[in-house]
Amino acid sequence: GDSVTQMEGPVTLSEEACLTINCTYTATGYPSLFWYVQYPGEGLQLLLKATKADDKGSNKGFEATYRKETTSFHLEKGSVQVSDSAVYFCALRSTGNQFYFGTGTSLTVIP
Amino acid sequence: DAGVTQSPTHLIKTRGQHVTLRCSPISGHKSVSWYQQVLGQGPQFIFQYYEKEERGRGNFPDRFSARQFPNYSSELNVNALLLGDSALYLCASSLAPGQGIYEQYFGPGTRLTVT
Repeated sequence: GDSVTQMEGPVTLSEEACLTINCTYTATGYPSLFWYVQYPGEGLQLLLKATKADDKGSNKGFEATYRKETTSFHLEKGSVQVSDSAVYFCALRSTGNQFYFGTGTSLTVIP
Repeated sequence: DAGVTQSPTHLIKTRGQHVTLRCSPISGHKSVSWYQQVLGQGPQFIFQYYEKEERGRGNFPDRFSARQFPNYSSELNVNALLLGDSALYLCASSLAPGQGIYEQYFGPGTRLTVT
């Protein structure tokens, strides 16, 4: 069945370091892919999305490219800030209209 | 505008009991989805409703059911509660389901504890 595998955490980085959180998926057909973020004490928020192969989603300095050949949707940011500390979830929406989330990666950015 | 609202915030139930969780979507949104998030894991999809009809169902037993009302609010019902049903239950709303542009807005969740 469809699934999402996400890089295990927690991840701790210094401010201005580069971030990559790996996400790979298994799906039939052409799913849509998402990254959600959950800041401390807040609900899940959509960070970025991509709906077809080679699409690049971007928001708040974060980027992820839908790679069908490697079934990946890795989240990247060139320079993280303390305010980026949160839990990040990779997710897919299948062609059968079901949603699958990864287990989440906790990111802590230290000054 | 108000975001997605859920009630109650917290709930404690005993094994074997029944529970009803409620969700009000963002004004203008016609689709509601329900998720179960066990501590330390990602949300697991339970149901999606659109225009009062079920449009998607995850891998959950028949003890879980839901419905959507004419005002697009929704209820999630769980019968014969088990200890393993203890989780944060999230509701998300969107304008409509469908391929292409699709964005869900999540509520704060209802924390259910089964003892």
